[in-house]
Amino acid sequence: ETGVTQTPRHLVMGMTNKKSLKCEQHLGHNAMYWYKQSAKKPLELMFVYNFKEQTENNSVPSRFSPECPNSSHLFLHLHTLQPEDSALYLCASSQRGGMPNSGNTIYFGEGSWLTVV
Amino acid sequence: GESVGLHLPTLSVQEGDNSIINCAYSNSASDYFIWYKQESGKGPQFIIDIRSNMDKRQGQRVTVLLNKTVKHLSLQIAATQPGDSAVYFCAESGAGTALIFGKGTTLSVSS
Repeated sequence: ETGVTQTPRHLVMGMTNKKSLKCEQHLGHNAMYWYKQSAKKPLELMFVYNFKEQTENNSVPSRFSPECPNSSHLFLHLHTLQPEDSALYLCASSQRGGMPNSGNTIYFGEGSWLTVV
Repeated sequence: GESVGLHLPTLSVQEGDNSIINCAYSNSASDYFIWYKQESGKGPQFIIDIRSNMDKRQGQRVTVLLNKTVKHLSLQIAATQPGDSAVYFCAESGAGTALIFGKGTTLSVSS
């Protein structure tokens, strides 16, 4: 149990489907993140939210749409994805946004495996 | 640009041996470093971190060493166990809000 829960753990969707990934953190943190992990590549930061406000969008295509209704919940809405978007999507949280540092470590969920067919 | 890399993509050790996983970074302004462990089918798990004002930090069976002169970071695991088998990532911070991750080293421990 990491304190960051992601659902679903596995998702298969067609290119014309609309689906959402959900993340909930039970750590009392104020910042939440979406990362993408593809095979043979380093983790890529997608979005950062701090106190529900988006503070970073790392040039992510608009077919990925994040939503952060409160500091404990984060969604990633998926629409018209491509097969190359198949990857592990990781949610993470930290005490606050800003620079990671001691006392502001980023903790990850187990991830949602997405396959686009 | 900045990059965080690991010297070896794979490392195989015998149970009970000590393991050393290396990481090189290129941004001399980075001031905080983390090691994560990712087991198959799971998300990255925090292992240990170190700030740039330190050279060494010890945890339970793990030690992180930081050599700022050559921009090198290493993770030492004492008495490696089969449960230590995983992918290990180093990450650096210092230029902004994002952690920059390396590609990972796969550690395989045989009995």
